[in-house]
Amino acid sequence: EVQLVESGGGLIQPGGSLRLSCETSGFSFSYYEMSWVRQTPGKGLEWISYISDSGRVTDYADSVRGRFTLSRDNYKNSMSLQLNNLRPEDTALYFCVRDGAVAGYRAFDIWGHGTMVTVSS
Amino acid sequence: SALTQPRSVSASPGQSVTIACTGTSSDVGDSNFVSWYQQQPDKAPKLMIYDVKKRSSGVPDRFSGSKSGNTASLTISGLQAADEADYFCCSHAGNYTWVFGGGTKVTVL
Repeated sequence: EVQLVESGGGLIQPGGSLRLSCETSGFSFSYYEMSWVRQTPGKGLEWISYISDSGRVTDYADSVRGRFTLSRDNYKNSMSLQLNNLRPEDTALYFCVRDGAVAGYRAFDIWGHGTMVTVSS
Repeated sequence: SALTQPRSVSASPGQSVTIACTGTSSDVGDSNFVSWYQQQPDKAPKLMIYDVKKRSSGVPDRFSGSKSGNTASLTISGLQAADEADYFCCSHAGNYTWVFGGGTKVTVL
C-alpha cells in the first residue's frame, strides 16, 4: 500500500523552528517529485514547496521562501521540511503529497494525513 | 494569488452542479495541468480530475472536468449524498509552482 506519513508538527512560539518529516512506503520514492501543501483551519489549500526526484531542484511559495527548506533522502525514502522563523500565519495542517509526473500526469495523487503546526505565544 | 471558486453550491440528488475555478493567463489559462480534489470532513484531499479532464482511477464518470480560457470547471452529474464535500481546484503556475483555489462546499439538498 502506498503511504505517506507526516510527523514533527506541534505548538511553537513565533520565531521558532520545526522540522517536519514525511516517511514514505509502497512505491519507488526516488522516481517521484514531491511537494508540501498546507491547509489553514477552516480554509483552503496552499502549495508551499516542491522538490525534484533527485532533490537537486526545489521551489517555494513566496509566503515561505527564505524561511522554509525542503530536502529528501532517497535512501531512506523520506523528505524533510525545515520551518524557520515561524509566524502565526504559518499555523496550518501540513500535508506531504506525491506528484504523479513520473506516471504521466501532473497532479498530487497521494496525500498523507497531515501534521498540525500551531504558531502561538 | 489563489484561484477563485464559489464558496458553496447546492443541488438536489440526481441534479448536476458545476464549480468554476477562475485563474489568470499565468496559471489556468496557460496550463494543461489543472486538477480537482475532493475533501471529506477530517480527511485528506483525494485526486478526482487531472490534466483538466481526465478522471483518476476509480472516480465515477459522473465527475467531469473542462477548461475555457482562464476558467476551469468541475461538473458533478447525477448528484449523490456521498458527493457532499469540499472541492478544490489546482493549477500549475509556472516552473515548479502550483496554485489552489479557495475551495467550494457542495451540499446535497
